Amino acid sequence: GESVGLHLPTLSVQEGDNSIINCAYSNSASDYFIWYKQESGKGPQFIIDIRSNMDKRQGQRVTVLLNKTVKHLSLQIAATQPGDSAVYFCAVRGVGNEKLTFGTGTRLTIIP
Amino acid sequence: GAVVSQHPSRVICKSGTSVKIECRSLDFQATTMFWYRQFPKQSLMLMATSNEGSKATYEQGVEKDKFLINHASLTLSTLTVTSAHPEDSSFYICSARNYDRVANYGYTFGSGTRLTVV
Repeated sequence: GESVGLHLPTLSVQEGDNSIINCAYSNSASDYFIWYKQESGKGPQFIIDIRSNMDKRQGQRVTVLLNKTVKHLSLQIAATQPGDSAVYFCAVRGVGNEKLTFGTGTRLTIIP
Repeated sequence: GAVVSQHPSRVICKSGTSVKIECRSLDFQATTMFWYRQFPKQSLMLMATSNEGSKATYEQGVEKDKFLINHASLTLSTLTVTSAHPEDSSFYICSARNYDRVANYGYTFGSGTRLTVV
């Protein structure tokens, strides 16, 4: 089955700096990846996604990088703001099914 | 668009009673819904996948007789925690699949239900 992991459980970043959150996955056949933001007591909020036929995708202040060779996914947040403080999860869609497997999560804290 | 409403947001129940959690897709038809459980400071763990008009598919280790899932319409799925015990206290989150959306393959999450069993 799929297993997903994150390298760092917590990350503190000075406001205005950039942050990078990493994620590793195990199944090389995985074809769809999503980053979610979760604030305390709320459901996951979609941030950005990427399909396996791409290696980079950009949104507003966020960039997702996919390295299929090493099965690694990262989320870059530029010019961080206090509102970016939350737990961030990567999720990987199952091969041949619709299930999402979530990583362990990284708590990002933006220091004013 | 693509809003999923989950109720209640918080519920406290006595040990041994049952609790029902509702998950509604407000502006789209969701043929597939997912139920997750999240313990404090942990990730989301998939409990089951429910498909409209058919039996839910449970993940390994999830008791189907304890966590009853009903997906009787294209806009509503319910999770009933039967004979709840304190160890069932958790944050339950539903997700609905919207096949009409291109972006993010249509996985929309509810706001979650905090269940506390006393």
